[in-house]
Amino acid sequence: AQSVSQHNHHVILSEAASLELGCNYSYGGTVNLFWYVQYPGQHLQLLLKYFSGDPLVKGIKGFEAEFIKSKFSFNLRKPSVQWSDTAEYFCAVIQGQNFVFGPGTRLSVLP
Amino acid sequence: EAGVVQSPRYKIIEKKQPVAFWCNPISGHNTLYWYLQNLGQGPELLIRYENEEAVDDSQLPKDRFSAERLKGVDSTLKIQPAELGDSAVYLCASSLGLVSTGELFFGEGSRLTVL
Repeated sequence: AQSVSQHNHHVILSEAASLELGCNYSYGGTVNLFWYVQYPGQHLQLLLKYFSGDPLVKGIKGFEAEFIKSKFSFNLRKPSVQWSDTAEYFCAVIQGQNFVFGPGTRLSVLP
Repeated sequence: EAGVVQSPRYKIIEKKQPVAFWCNPISGHNTLYWYLQNLGQGPELLIRYENEEAVDDSQLPKDRFSAERLKGVDSTLKIQPAELGDSAVYLCASSLGLVSTGELFFGEGSRLTVL
């Protein structure tokens, strides 16, 4: 069965710093990959997704992620974070007809 | 457009008591999911419905958990009796058609505390 790991449990950055959150999934083949975000007090929502094609995927709010098949990775990036990016970020992969989520990374951006 | 609605948002009960959570998915979404989210972890699937049929309940602890989705719209998740380890957030999500469309829409969750 697929599993998803996220390298960092908690990341603390200052505003304008660059962000990279790691995500690895356990085995290859055709994969569909996602990043979801949960802002404080809000519901989980989709940030971006990869199905096929260009491995560099752009999402909302200036986020992007790169699918590297050889590394089983789908890392999330943002060149300059804002205080409003403070949230929990979850990487996910589809297995069959279900989503498998990673444990999440909490991002705290200091003003 | 209304999102996925869940109630109650918070519930505190004593162990061995029953509890029920309700979910109203986005109108027209035929796929409904219940997830369990423990503190510091990602959501884990409990059960998935396609319309009124439970098509994947392999992770649902059936000795104490039950779920139903009458008429293929609203859904209820029940725990009876609750145990201390059931303290968690119970998330409901819905999607339009198959998972391959790529997006789950989540409710705000029901946070359960078992004392």
